[in-house]
Amino acid sequence: AVRITQSPSSLCASIGDRVSITCRASHSLGSYLAWYQQKSGEAPKLLIFGASTLHIGVPSRFNATKSGTDFTLTISFLQSEDIGTYYCHQYYNEPYTFGQGTKLEIK
Amino acid sequence: QIQLQQSGPGLVKPSQTLSLTCVVSGDSVSSDAAAWNWVRQSPSGGLEWLGRTYVRSKWYQDYAPSMKGRITISADVANHQISLELKSVTPNDTGVYYCARDNSGWFGWFDLWGQGTPIIVSS
Repeated sequence: AVRITQSPSSLCASIGDRVSITCRASHSLGSYLAWYQQKSGEAPKLLIFGASTLHIGVPSRFNATKSGTDFTLTISFLQSEDIGTYYCHQYYNEPYTFGQGTKLEIK
Repeated sequence: QIQLQQSGPGLVKPSQTLSLTCVVSGDSVSSDAAAWNWVRQSPSGGLEWLGRTYVRSKWYQDYAPSMKGRITISADVANHQISLELKSVTPNDTGVYYCARDNSGWFGWFDLWGQGTPIIVSS
């Protein structure tokens, strides 16, 4: 199975900051990676698919890039509603696997 | 509005079978562009893909190797629902179970999730 190493495991930042989360895959994934946001007590919500394509309705302050087997989610101008846990998900092959999650908190 | 509404028992005894359902409204479970997945989240937060069912002229199922032999995912088209059965549960099966739609047209990301069903395996 493809292993994904997500970092950092937690992040504390201020409103208006720019923050980045990275997932590193054990194998090449092409662009077969998605990002989700999960708020406390809720199901995950799709943010990004195809490594860099914003899902409908996702604010443009979310951006994602790929470099080799490294995938990065960046939130520019952090807002209070961005708190939650972020996960990456590879769908390059089965079994699908997820990163361990990054818990984002506001200072 | 497309919704996935889950239901399930909440508490299951060890060695028993866990049964969960996911009712799909606003979409067809027999869409040939969709795949219907089950994902669970452990108490520590990790997400694990369990498997999926989808129709492409006929119904198919794919399961995570860690689940094979214990899991069955099926679709009930008439009742617009997807089901998960997990046999011989242990406390390690405790977590929140989600159904999730993949509407990518092939096999990809999950654009819609059910609300989640918390399951505790305990005697």
